[in-house]
Amino acid sequence: GDSVTQMEGPVTLSEEAFLTINCTYTATGYPSLFWYVQYPGEGLQLLLKATKADDKGSNKGFEATYRKETTSFHLEKGSVQVSDSAVYFCALSLSGNQFYFGTGTSLTVIP
Amino acid sequence: GAGVSQTPSNKVTEKGKYVELRCDPISGHTALYWYRQSLGQGPEFLIYFQGTGAADDSGLPNDRFFAVRPEGSVSTLKIQRTERGDSAVYLCASSPTGADTGELFFGEGSRLTVL
Repeated sequence: GDSVTQMEGPVTLSEEAFLTINCTYTATGYPSLFWYVQYPGEGLQLLLKATKADDKGSNKGFEATYRKETTSFHLEKGSVQVSDSAVYFCALSLSGNQFYFGTGTSLTVIP
Repeated sequence: GAGVSQTPSNKVTEKGKYVELRCDPISGHTALYWYRQSLGQGPEFLIYFQGTGAADDSGLPNDRFFAVRPEGSVSTLKIQRTERGDSAVYLCASSPTGADTGELFFGEGSRLTVL
């Protein structure tokens, strides 16, 4: 079935460090791919998305490229800040009806 | 404007009791989703409404779970004969159309604890 596997956490980084959170997917068709973020005490919110192969989604300094050949959508940021501390979820959607989420990766950035 | 509102934020109940969880989506959003999130897991799909009708209820775990959206706006998730395994955070999300936009707007969730 359709699913998402993402890097387990928790991840702890120092401020200004480089971040990568791995995400791979399994899908029967050509999904759209997403990263959602949940800041402490808030609901999930869309961080970025890519709807077809080789698309790059970007927002708030985060980037992810839709790689069909490796079925991956890894999240990266060149220099993390304390305010990036949150839980990050990779997700896919084939029809817009169902979204399949990964288990989430908790990121803590220390000053 | 107001985001997705869920009530109650916390609900503690006893095994076997009936529970209702309410979701008030963003005004004008036709698509509404219910998800369940257990500790350490990602959100798990339960049901999707387009307007008043349940377009996809394949994620409901069994017939103790039921959801309605009678006027195409507010939705209620109903759980009968609650079990300890139903303890989780129940998330509601809405979307302008629900068709490949990817922009789900989530509420903060209702945390259900079944003792």
